[in-house]
Amino acid sequence: DVKVTQSSRYLVKRTGEKVFLECVQDMDHENMFWYRQDPGLGLRLIYFSYDVKMKEKGDIPEGYSVSREKKERFSLILESASTNQTSMYLCASSLGFGYGETQYFGPGTRLLVL
Amino acid sequence: QQQVKQSPQSLIVQKGGISIINCAYENTAFDYFPWYQQFPGKGPALLIAIRPDVSEKKEGRFTISFNKSAKQFSLHIMDSQPGDSATYFCAASKRSNDYKLSFGAGTTVTVRA
Repeated sequence: DVKVTQSSRYLVKRTGEKVFLECVQDMDHENMFWYRQDPGLGLRLIYFSYDVKMKEKGDIPEGYSVSREKKERFSLILESASTNQTSMYLCASSLGFGYGETQYFGPGTRLLVL
Repeated sequence: QQQVKQSPQSLIVQKGGISIINCAYENTAFDYFPWYQQFPGKGPALLIAIRPDVSEKKEGRFTISFNKSAKQFSLHIMDSQPGDSATYFCAASKRSNDYKLSFGAGTTVTVRA
């Protein structure tokens, strides 16, 4: 079974703090994704990585950065957390060989920025 | 703006009833349409998917109906069970941008016993 794990289930941070969200997948997948999930908005793609050290902006990259130093690990960084970044953050991975692939999601990190 | 519009936002159905969730899109380049199911406290998981060369796909009690001319697709859950209570997301992607899924806003389905 594909397993995508996220470092924290819940996080509480202060405005202005630097926040790191970590994601690890164990299936040697090429692609990794970060989404945020908000009620009424569904899942929105923040960043995507198709290879180590490679990244592409998604639909809402502002205020976020990412790092992928190893194939299995993809980190989302909030350089200076703001209250409007309070959300559920979901990491996903996919094989990376073609079109219409299944994305496998982690359980999510619920972030509260005070 | 959301590229895939999903409705209703929530629905309640009695055990044994049919749940129907609808999605519509504008971008005719979309050619892969998956549905993801999310239980509370879990990440979404692929439930069923369809490509536009077929008008219907069935897997157990779950059926996708696809209307290419209307740019609409729907999920039908037959004989709904309490264990089907979850949030369902439709999504779409295009061959030229195959990694990127555009998700609908989600529908929370509650099945009453």
